[in-house]
Amino acid sequence: AQSVTQLDSQVPVFEEAPVELRCNYSSSVSVYLFWYVQYPNQGLQLLLKYLSGSTLVKGINGFEAEFNKSQTSFHLRKPSVHISDTAEYFCAVSDDQGAQKLVFGQGTRLTINP
Amino acid sequence: NAGVTQTPKFQVLKTGQSMTLQCAQDMNHNSMYWYRQDPGMGLRLIYYSASEGTTDKGEVPNGYNVSRLNKREFSLRLESAAPSQTSVYFCASIRTGGIVSPLHFGNGTRLTVT
Repeated sequence: AQSVTQLDSQVPVFEEAPVELRCNYSSSVSVYLFWYVQYPNQGLQLLLKYLSGSTLVKGINGFEAEFNKSQTSFHLRKPSVHISDTAEYFCAVSDDQGAQKLVFGQGTRLTINP
Repeated sequence: NAGVTQTPKFQVLKTGQSMTLQCAQDMNHNSMYWYRQDPGMGLRLIYYSASEGTTDKGEVPNGYNVSRLNKREFSLRLESAAPSQTSVYFCASIRTGGIVSPLHFGNGTRLTVT
């Protein structure tokens, strides 16, 4: 069975500082990984996804994530954050591209301080 | 383009009352989902409908029923609300081809059961 662990429930950073949000997964077979973002009082929207190929994936708003199979991780990074990046970020996993279900992590709340 | 529309936005129920959460999408998507979001637990799948006419249980289906009324609409019913069902409920849809397509979320229904 798949599972996702987001290691930090909250991450406070200063504006223009770099940030890394950590995600580890467990899956017995092939894995497909996603990061979703939830802005205040909104639903989630897709930030980026890893299906195959290059392990470095670029997403919207300057975010990127690196798939590391040996460490079973898919950490999300941004070199310089902005106030508008304040949101909750969710890592998610599936073991089947055609699957109808994703397993979500617990979420990490990113707070940007001026 | 409205996307995924959920009604109501807020609801307060007394224990034992019933209600139906409505969801409609105007993107001609095949699959629709109901999630609940609780602090520290991420999103958990309640029920989903892979296509019109089919529904399947997710991770936390107890206490809920669903109806896929047509391709556009997917409703969630609480027959006898309990305080443990206090949560934020999200409806989502996917175009086709499984979870590699982005999930499109509504803005949520905040439900309190007293």
